[in-house]
Amino acid sequence: DAGVIQSPRHEVTEMGQEVTLRCKPISGHNSLFWYRQTMMRGLELLIYFNNNVPIDDSGMPEDRFSAKMPNASFSTLKIQPSEPRDSAVYFCASSYNSAYTFGSGTRLTVV
Amino acid sequence: KNEVEQSPQNLTAQEGEFITINCSYSVGISALHWLQQHPGGGIVSLFMLSSGKKKHGRLIATINIQEKHSSLHITASHPRDSAVYICAVYFGNEKLTFGTGTRLTIIP
Repeated sequence: DAGVIQSPRHEVTEMGQEVTLRCKPISGHNSLFWYRQTMMRGLELLIYFNNNVPIDDSGMPEDRFSAKMPNASFSTLKIQPSEPRDSAVYFCASSYNSAYTFGSGTRLTVV
Repeated sequence: KNEVEQSPQNLTAQEGEFITINCSYSVGISALHWLQQHPGGGIVSLFMLSSGKKKHGRLIATINIQEKHSSLHITASHPRDSAVYICAVYFGNEKLTFGTGTRLTIIP
């Protein structure tokens, strides 16, 4: 298995632009998580899905952020419009029965 | 409140030293992960524990359920072990709660 696959690895965009981050979880994992990591705040859970259904989105910062999981093999995190304070590394992770695997992350820079 | 505390926050040691990183949590858990993150790198799960002890190479993880405490040990430390080590626990729901991390630096 190739593990959790995230794309792109790096994204640089201008303030106000829409950004879409993508994640392919491990096949058979039934939960998917989106995290944001910054120096100031460490790892923060944004949203997680169980069996493709959003369970807890209380960590989503504001309405500019949205996430979808249309099927068991794909999820997106969208930021529209992006702002410089959204600059961070965004990790996707998937799990099954407490076994957890992280993707390599997407480093987002909003200028 | 479900909390996870790690110590120390920063640790610098000479190559070859025995390293211990500690993690305490506030209430009963269903599982605990030790995660490793190299500078600028991804996050890797080193161990998942719900009881006892696990060993992988020079790394050993232990958990004491009664005392709500886990430790990560590194024997014969090496500069490539320099990374941030994060304790993360399941408090019975789907979500992981993270400790603040321990930044380990091994000096050659």
